[in-house]
Amino acid sequence: NAGVTQTPKFRVLKTGQSMTLLCAQDMNHEYMYWYRQDPGMGLRLIHYSVGEGTTAKGEVPDGYNVSRLKKQNFLLGLESAAPSQTSVYFCASSYRGLGANVLTFGAGSRLTVL
Amino acid sequence: AQTVTQSQPEMSVQEAETVTLSCTYDTSESDYYLFWYKQPPSRQMILVIRQEAYKQQNATENRFSVNFQKAAKSFSLKISDSQLGDAAMYFCAYRSADWGGSNYKLTFGKGTLLTVNP
Repeated sequence: NAGVTQTPKFRVLKTGQSMTLLCAQDMNHEYMYWYRQDPGMGLRLIHYSVGEGTTAKGEVPDGYNVSRLKKQNFLLGLESAAPSQTSVYFCASSYRGLGANVLTFGAGSRLTVL
Repeated sequence: AQTVTQSQPEMSVQEAETVTLSCTYDTSESDYYLFWYKQPPSRQMILVIRQEAYKQQNATENRFSVNFQKAAKSFSLKISDSQLGDAAMYFCAYRSADWGGSNYKLTFGKGTLLTVNP
């Protein structure tokens, strides 16, 4: 019963490098989300997806791209990493409609950009 | 846009005692959902309790209960008989019930770090 799995759990990047965070869920959830957590800021929504092949911007989308080619996967990409993107990233998923009130979160991915 | 404010960055409680965490929110909507999430040192976000705004009755989950004051836009969390395992960061969150709008988003407060002293 894996739930939501994020890989990698930790990563250190140099400024300008690119990387992709992978989120996989095995609950057949329609909705998927990427949040970032910074000290004293709570969690902020980066991008979200309401279904396979669809994505939308959240509060803080700049510098990130996403793709959802398969229902169970939601990828978060950083094309040219910046120190301001040092954060802990959380993926979450949920059912649609009223089911969207129950989010299942992954364990987080800590990214450091030097 | 909705905002969620947690005015207590840190709180502490003695084991077996009761503690209340505060949360206020700002919204022009009449229908919405409110949540408390717990984040222990493992970083895993865990849903503690949720409240539908249209329900007057306060939600309760075992030792956790809320005091929902819709007019005051207040949503506090009470933890009774505190246990060492309750030590965590607690986040209050808001979600719109407008299914055609920005309802996909959970708006989080900045969190309250709860310490439980033995």
